[in-house]
Amino acid sequence: KAGVTQTPRYLIKTRGQQVTLSCSPISGHRSVSWYQQTPGQGLQFLFEYFSETQRNKGNFPGRFSGRQFSNSRSEMNVSTLELGDSALYLCASSLKSEQFFGPGTRLTVL
Amino acid sequence: KQEVTQIPAALSVPEGENLVLNCSFTDSAIYNLQWFRQDPGKGLTSLLLIQSSQREQTSGRLNASLDKSSGRSTLYIAASQPGDSATYLCAGQTGANNLFFGTGTRLTVIP
Repeated sequence: KAGVTQTPRYLIKTRGQQVTLSCSPISGHRSVSWYQQTPGQGLQFLFEYFSETQRNKGNFPGRFSGRQFSNSRSEMNVSTLELGDSALYLCASSLKSEQFFGPGTRLTVL
Repeated sequence: KQEVTQIPAALSVPEGENLVLNCSFTDSAIYNLQWFRQDPGKGLTSLLLIQSSQREQTSGRLNASLDKSSGRSTLYIAASQPGDSATYLCAGQTGANNLFFGTGTRLTVIP
């Protein structure tokens, strides 16, 4: 069974731009969660989607948004990028309790 | 707010040694506890999941335990190998399907 896939793997953007990241969960998994990982803050929860509905949300500004499609694939969007948004963005899918992570998207904001 | 502490922050051991990594939570109302490893620049690999009704889980050379009353979990690695070198992260789940992560323990196993 294929694992969680994320595209693109690397992105370079400039301040003020916006970016969209994509995540395809493991087949059959309906829950997709997004996390941000930085050296200073570690891993922090962004939001979770289940059956196309945002079910949980972390403590991030409204510039961070997401959505989920009927096939459970998910996208997250960051608008008006700031230097501090440079991070590894990880998505995870789950069927019940155990979460399985993708390889991440490394975003660099210049 | 749930805070997760992992001790030690870094650990270097010779190959073959048994070792214990520690994880503690400020809020002991943990529902599930999951241990991961992360290799540099990579995603997270799930190692063990301890569900709410369980107290420990084992997989190969790994054993994880959870004491909810004290808000602590330990990951035991037997007969360490150089391939075990990675950062180990514990994460708690408190009902909602989001994880609270510790800061990790960076493990180096010296051949």
